[in-house]
Amino acid sequence: EDKVVQSPLSLVVHEGDTVTLNCSYEVTNFRSLLWYKQEKKAPTFLFMLTSSGIEKKSGRLSSILDKKELFSILNITATQTGDSAVYLCAVASNSGYALNFGKGTSLLVTP
Amino acid sequence: GAGVSQSPSNKVTEKGKDVELRCDPISGHTALYWYRQSLGQGLEFLIYFQGNSAPDKSGLPSDRFSAERTGGSVSTLTIQRTQQEDSAVYLCASSPETGLGAFFGQGTRLTVV
Repeated sequence: EDKVVQSPLSLVVHEGDTVTLNCSYEVTNFRSLLWYKQEKKAPTFLFMLTSSGIEKKSGRLSSILDKKELFSILNITATQTGDSAVYLCAVASNSGYALNFGKGTSLLVTP
Repeated sequence: GAGVSQSPSNKVTEKGKDVELRCDPISGHTALYWYRQSLGQGLEFLIYFQGNSAPDKSGLPSDRFSAERTGGSVSTLTIQRTQQEDSAVYLCASSPETGLGAFFGQGTRLTVV
């Protein structure tokens, strides 16, 4: 059975800190790994990763995938209170249809 | 439209009633997903449509749940004889094809009283 595990489950940091969120997975016939940010209802798309070792970057957020060790990390540098959200990792395979989501990491950035 | 549109945004219904939730995906997106998120929980897959292929219904929790997608575009999720445990946010997402970035609607918050 496909599995996506995120850690930590929750995290509290001070503004300006750097955080690293983890996502490990077991999936048959891997296709892609996606990161989302969920603040209220709708998750918003951050990154899609398909190749190992290639960093995706958007402002203070970056992510990288390791297909050998089956994990991805999401880094946020110089955190701001607006980064407070649940960060979701999802994995897609070529042999299944659904995006398989982890339970998320709840990040709280305090002033 | 510019994004995935869901309606209604909120729905309160009495236990035992039927409800219909609507999703209008991004134009041209062939893949459409329904997920459910209960309070404090992760996203639970319900059903997936891809083009004209038979939908993957493996996530539907019971036969009270059904969904259809008309003309490869708008989708409706129907819950019959609602129960209190059906209370959740129902999220719809679409993507250009399977495995690519899926874009979510704002969801429908369903409360069964």
